[in-house]
Amino acid sequence: QQQVKQSPQSLIVQKGGISIINCAYENTAFDYFPWYQQFPGKGPALLIAIRPDVSEKKEGRFTISFNKSAKQFSLHIMDSQPGDSATYFCAATNSGAGSYQLTFGKGTKLSVIP
Amino acid sequence: DSGVTQTPKHLITATGQRVTLRCSPRSGDLSVYWYQQSLDQGLQFLIQYYNGEERAKGNILERFSAQQFPDLHSELNLSSLELGDSALYFCASSVGRAQETQYFGPGTRLLVL
Repeated sequence: QQQVKQSPQSLIVQKGGISIINCAYENTAFDYFPWYQQFPGKGPALLIAIRPDVSEKKEGRFTISFNKSAKQFSLHIMDSQPGDSATYFCAATNSGAGSYQLTFGKGTKLSVIP
Repeated sequence: DSGVTQTPKHLITATGQRVTLRCSPRSGDLSVYWYQQSLDQGLQFLIQYYNGEERAKGNILERFSAQQFPDLHSELNLSSLELGDSALYFCASSVGRAQETQYFGPGTRLLVL
């Protein structure tokens, strides 16, 4: 059972454009939703995260939008740059379980072309 | 650089063998998480240790085991290896038992032939 579904699998965006990656979850106990960025040959690195008590969080060019009723959240990358080309993973966890073990989406490979 | 170190970087072995992957968390971090990344399954949580004790268990096979030592480094032991165990294995560390931010190491790439 895939508890976090991520789409699209791959995305090509023009430099300066907006990249949008969507995730949907099933487990209503999830209460922390991070996004990770992974470059080839590297481990995932935390990009931005949100809790369900807010509908949006912005950090620089990166914004998470969260829809609790629809059990969906998305990452928007504004003014996308070639350096943003990487694989992005959404994740979720139930912190009430006493552990922050992460359930990941399958990832989106983003390519930003000049 | 996350501050988490993993050794070895690459590992090639044969089916049926046993290997040990090592992880040193960031200075001061008490929690270590292990994840497996494969093309078909994606990133999957295996197990978490906090200050030497097992804290949470995920999709970890019975052939796999882990431990965290008094100096807080952790080892993941994989035995009776199968072709399907070929994957990237990441460890991540965080400050506390249930702390939000996990810092991932560079991973160990395991190839089982």
